[in-house]
Amino acid sequence: TQLLEQSPQFLSIQEGENLTVYCNSSSVFSSLQWYRQEPGEGPVLLVTVVTGGEVKKLKRLTFQFGDARKDSSLHITAAQPGDTGLYLCAGARGAQKLVFGQGTRLTINP
Amino acid sequence: DSGVTQTPKHLITATGQRVTLRCSPRSGDLSVYWYQQSLDQGLQFLIQYYNGEERAKGNILERFSAQQFPDLHSELNLSSLELGDSALYFCASSTPSPGLPVGELFFGEGSRLTVL
Repeated sequence: TQLLEQSPQFLSIQEGENLTVYCNSSSVFSSLQWYRQEPGEGPVLLVTVVTGGEVKKLKRLTFQFGDARKDSSLHITAAQPGDTGLYLCAGARGAQKLVFGQGTRLTINP
Repeated sequence: DSGVTQTPKHLITATGQRVTLRCSPRSGDLSVYWYQQSLDQGLQFLIQYYNGEERAKGNILERFSAQQFPDLHSELNLSSLELGDSALYFCASSTPSPGLPVGELFFGEGSRLTVL
């Protein structure tokens, strides 16, 4: 059983479209991180959210942490081929281990 | 370049064998994490070390063991290998950030293990 459920698992859209991917759990997390992983590489941190309801923007990417700190979303505006990759959310419970979701594999077609 | 070095990058071995994966963390990072990534399971947390001591344990099999040495590099030992152990094994390091429960994890490029 996955502690963090990401949806959709796969998403293929055209360049210029908007999209939202979700990260859901029944557990409360002290913080939540989003990573992007490209083929042949390790995940790279995009953002960390800590406060319930927090919204962070990174250029065309908008991250939101749910009010109850159980879920998060990533919205991409005007997607570009360079956004293609595996997007992973990861939740921290306490100061130790970081638990990852299964990821959303995003493909942006030119 | 994340600053985390993993060796070997690729490893092919047979069932029943034993392998050791090595990780050198970023300079100054005291925490080392090991993760297993397979197609159907995503990124699974195995174990974390902090300054030589085991800090947290995840879904690590008894056939697997790890340690962190005084120079902070870490090794993951996988023994009695089975076909299902074929996966990417990632090492990550971090330094706690003020005000954050978990700091940013910097991942290596992974070690791809194939068990035949």
